[in-house]
Amino acid sequence: DQQVKQNSPSLSVQEGRISILNCDYTNSMFDYFLWYKKYPAEGPTFLISISSIKDKNEDGRFTVFLNKSAKHLSLHIVPSQPGDSAVYFCAASAIGYSTLTFGKGTMLLVSP
Amino acid sequence: SQTIHQWPATLVQPVGSPLSLECTVEGTSNPNLYWYRQAAGRGLQLLFYSVGIGQISSEVPQNLSASRPQDRQFILSSKKLLLSDSGFYLCAWSFTGGPYEQYFGPGTRLTVT
Repeated sequence: DQQVKQNSPSLSVQEGRISILNCDYTNSMFDYFLWYKKYPAEGPTFLISISSIKDKNEDGRFTVFLNKSAKHLSLHIVPSQPGDSAVYFCAASAIGYSTLTFGKGTMLLVSP
Repeated sequence: SQTIHQWPATLVQPVGSPLSLECTVEGTSNPNLYWYRQAAGRGLQLLFYSVGIGQISSEVPQNLSASRPQDRQFILSSKKLLLSDSGFYLCAWSFTGGPYEQYFGPGTRLTVT
């Protein structure tokens, strides 16, 4: 049973436009959510996170939105740049647990 | 600042041979440590994690084992590799007790032939 789902395997966006990556979760115990960026043949890099007590967190061009009632979060990248082309993973953690549950990732392609 | 090292970067091994991948973390004490595998076109699968020396939790029954002989050293092993063990292996660490962010090493590409 997949507790963290990224239903879009890929997304193509033009440079300068907004990229929106979506993630759904099923476990009500999740209280902390993270986004990672991964280039081929490299380890994932932590991007941004959000606690369940918030509905928005912003860091430069990256904003994460959390809708707890819908069990949905999204990552907005504005403006998108070609260097943002990578696989983006959504992850979640439940309070008291030391592990993260990852989605399968969405490949973002930003074209010039 | 903290740094995580993994080696080797790439490895080609025949079926039935043993495996040892090593991961070390610098700049922090008593980290949580994790081993993941990413198979081709797949997401990140947690294999093992450790919250302290000698404490290993296995997430998926398989042909692999893990050990933590020192505070900041995590080793992934196999006695006999299978073809299905091929993949991209990632080590990660996090602070004990939170925050929950995990920081990943550069990974090891393992090809079993």
